Amino acid sequence: ILNVEQSPQSLHVQEGDSTNFTCSFPSSNFYALHWYRWETAKSPEALFVMTLNGDEKKKGRISATLNTKEGYSYLYIKGSQPEDSATYLCALGGGYGGSQGNLIFGKGTKLSVKP
Amino acid sequence: ETGVTQTPRHLVMGMTNKKSLKCEQHLGHNAMYWYKQSAKKPLELMFVYNFKEQTENNSVPSRFSPECPNSSHLFLHLHTLQPEDSALYLCASSLGLADNGDEQFFGPGTRLTVL
Repeated sequence: ILNVEQSPQSLHVQEGDSTNFTCSFPSSNFYALHWYRWETAKSPEALFVMTLNGDEKKKGRISATLNTKEGYSYLYIKGSQPEDSATYLCALGGGYGGSQGNLIFGKGTKLSVKP
Repeated sequence: ETGVTQTPRHLVMGMTNKKSLKCEQHLGHNAMYWYKQSAKKPLELMFVYNFKEQTENNSVPSRFSPECPNSSHLFLHLHTLQPEDSALYLCASSLGLADNGDEQFFGPGTRLTVL
């Protein structure tokens, strides 16, 4: 059974602080790693999808890195703003039997940014 | 406008009722998904359809019955549910399969309460 772990569970930072979260996963049979942002009362929104070891992606103040050999991904937010407050989910695409659409989600990291 | 709509947004039903959840995507995607979000648990994949064919059934009880008449529409038929089935049910779509690297677009969800 594949298990995706995210840490920390929650994080409280001040506006302007930079922060990072970790997503850990089994490195065997890796297909893809997704990051989503889920704001309260909204739908989860895709941030990044990474498929190659060493991938680095950036969108504005948010960036992510991927290490498939050791089984982790980091999400960084530079200069956090109150509108960054959300739960950040990572999800692993992987497993046996070929691609069947299966994503395994972590429990998420809940970020609160105080003005 | 996320491009993925779900109806109803809220549903309260008794254990003997039969109801259906509807999902529609306007993005021209080929894959559609049902997820369950229970309190303090990660998002759980229930079903995956790719080009109208079911590719994944994550050991979901038969009281949940999916239907995908075409690539734009996905239904979840509910009958004789249990109170523990109360949860947020999310629909998502993607161009190709998510574990192959295609990002998912989520609907707003249906909040289901089973009395």
